[in-house]
Amino acid sequence: EAGVTQFPSHSVIEKGQTVTLRCDPISGHDNLYWYRRVMGKEIKFLLHFVKESKQDESGMPNNRFLAERTGGTYSTLKVQPAELEDSGVYFCASSQDSIPLYNEQFFGPGTRLTVL
Amino acid sequence: RKEVEQDPGPFNVPEGATVAFNCTYSNSASQSFFWYRQDCRKEPKLLMSVYSSGNEDGRFTAQLNRASQYISLLIRDSKLSDSATYLCVVNLYTGFQKLVFGTGTRLLVSP
Repeated sequence: EAGVTQFPSHSVIEKGQTVTLRCDPISGHDNLYWYRRVMGKEIKFLLHFVKESKQDESGMPNNRFLAERTGGTYSTLKVQPAELEDSGVYFCASSQDSIPLYNEQFFGPGTRLTVL
Repeated sequence: RKEVEQDPGPFNVPEGATVAFNCTYSNSASQSFFWYRQDCRKEPKLLMSVYSSGNEDGRFTAQLNRASQYISLLIRDSKLSDSATYLCVVNLYTGFQKLVFGTGTRLLVSP
């Protein structure tokens, strides 16, 4: 079974440009999460989808970030316009909902975003 | 104050050694707890969940002290392959999972 996949693996853009990150969760996983790790800091929650609905977007830094999950399958995270402080590794994770307190989240390999 | 605090290390130990990592969390409403492992430039992977009564998985033992808001991970008989960053993670469960990560503790096991 394929794991969580993310595209691209790396992206280097200039400040002010737009970047779209894609995440394909494990098939059948209703829960999809986005996280970000800025250099030297901890991994931080951005938002959570249940199927196509945003369950919790309290971690989104500001309105330059837009996440979508049309059809409840893959998700995109768009940053527009990108700023220097957006650089970091963006992880996507997915999970089933079988054991609510102890669901294992399966992480993708991440997208390393560098804003110059 | 960070929500989840860990000693960043690195912890340098020889093969076969026993090593322990600690973690404290600030939110007493945290519902469940995990240790994730992250290899260099890779994604985090679940190592083990941490249950109230403590639990063991092979060479790994996790303990939870809710009163002190403290979690520990003990690794016995360290292997070279145990070299990684160990992330302490708490779940602010409010009907859905919301994971809060520590910065991680780096372990280096040498021959």
